[in-house]
Amino acid sequence: GQQLNQSPQSMFIQEGEDVSMNCTSSSIFNTWLWYKQDPGEGPVLLIALYKAGELTSNGRLTAQFGITRKDSFLNISASIPSDVGIYFCAGRDSNYQLIWGAGTKLIIKP
Amino acid sequence: NAGVTQTPKFQVLKTGQSMTLQCAQDMNHNSMYWYRQDPGMGLRLIYYSASEGTTDKGEVPNGYNVSRLNKREFSLRLESAAPSQTSVYFCASSPRDRGSYEQYFGPGTRLTVT
Repeated sequence: GQQLNQSPQSMFIQEGEDVSMNCTSSSIFNTWLWYKQDPGEGPVLLIALYKAGELTSNGRLTAQFGITRKDSFLNISASIPSDVGIYFCAGRDSNYQLIWGAGTKLIIKP
Repeated sequence: NAGVTQTPKFQVLKTGQSMTLQCAQDMNHNSMYWYRQDPGMGLRLIYYSASEGTTDKGEVPNGYNVSRLNKREFSLRLESAAPSQTSVYFCASSPRDRGSYEQYFGPGTRLTVT
């Protein structure tokens, strides 16, 4: 079946740092979606990407749809404490199903 | 708009008991989904309904049944609960038209089977 690898699995961040995470797939996707999940809540949509090469921002968040259509990146600039949580990528395949990454957990450095 | 609502929020069942998880959306979306999320893992699709009147199996359908009652409501039933079904269950909906495949999630139901 299709696989979607999300990395890193977790990362420690210090307030003010920039953060990068990515997802790669074994096949082409037609849509990439990025979600954030806070503890005890459902995932919330952050950014949707529909075209290869597309670069979209939502406040301090920027996501890109890779040119090969097999990857996507999410960057968070100048992180703040409320950025902690789990970030998921999801890609839509040719059968119109969403394939989900396992998540990147952002943790604040003590 | 409430978005996607789920009931109950928490549930504890004994092995072999049955229960139905309820989900409703008020966004007039065509498609609805049931996922489970286990610790340290992503979302796994149990069943989905692409439109009113249709349902299809997802990645992990065994032990579950669903009903798309109308356009708003999509329920998930566990006929004979097992400890392996201890998980957090999320319902989601999507317009799934005009090229929009974005999914919107409810707050989840935390189920423990003892």
